[in-house]
Amino acid sequence: GDSVTQMEGPVTLSEEAFLTINCTYTATGYPSLFWYVQYPGEGLQLLLKATKADDKGSNKGFEATYRKETTSFHLEKGSVQVSDSAVYFCALTSTNQAGTALIFGKGTTLSVSS
Amino acid sequence: DTEVTQTPKHLVMGMTNKKSLKCEQHMGHRAMYWYKQKAKKPPELMFVYSYEKLSINESVPSRFSPECPNSSLLNLHLHALQPEDSALYLCASSQVMRVGNQPQHFGDGTRLSIL
Repeated sequence: GDSVTQMEGPVTLSEEAFLTINCTYTATGYPSLFWYVQYPGEGLQLLLKATKADDKGSNKGFEATYRKETTSFHLEKGSVQVSDSAVYFCALTSTNQAGTALIFGKGTTLSVSS
Repeated sequence: DTEVTQTPKHLVMGMTNKKSLKCEQHMGHRAMYWYKQKAKKPPELMFVYSYEKLSINESVPSRFSPECPNSSLLNLHLHALQPEDSALYLCASSQVMRVGNQPQHFGDGTRLSIL
C-alpha cells in the first residue's frame, strides 16, 4: 500500500540554521503531497502542498519540491526561528474505491534554540 | 486561526460516562473526518463523512459513534470508553472526499482523558 517515510527526529538546531527534513513516499498513481505542522497543544496546520511532479510548495519560508524521479518531498528552510519548533508531518493522499485518505509519515520533531 | 472549531478543548470522563465531541466548519466543505492521535504519533483515521453520509469506518469500536447532523457539523458520541482511548481527537474537513489534491483542514482537537 501507499506509505510515507520521513527522517526520525528529534532535529535540534540553533536559530538561523538551515533546515532539511527528508520525506520519501511509495504510491501507485500520482498522489498529492503535503507538509503539516503541529505546534505544542494544537491541531495540524497545512504548511504547504504540491499536486504534481516538479511543483514547488512554499509558505512562511519553507519549501518542498515534488520529485517524482526520487519519490521525495523534502522540507527545507534557509533560516529557522525558535517559533518553528514543532512536529512536522509529511503526508500524501491515497485514493481507492472507498475514497481518499491522508497517509502520514511518523512525524519529525524540530527543536530550535536561541 | 483555525477554521474548524472543536469543543470541548479538554474532556475528562469516567469509563461509564456518555459524552460527545463536537466539530463545526463553515467553509462549505462536504467531507468531514475524525482522527485519533496518541502522543508523538501521527493521526489515525477513524471515520469519514461525505455529503453527510458515513463513507469510511476504519474498524473503530462501537463505543465510538459518529454523527453528521448537517453539512457543517460533525459529532462523535462516546460511551463506555477504556483508558487506552485517552488521546487527542482531531476533526478535519475538505471540499470533497474523492479529490486527492484538496488539503484537509484540521481543528485544534479535543484532548480526552479516561479515568
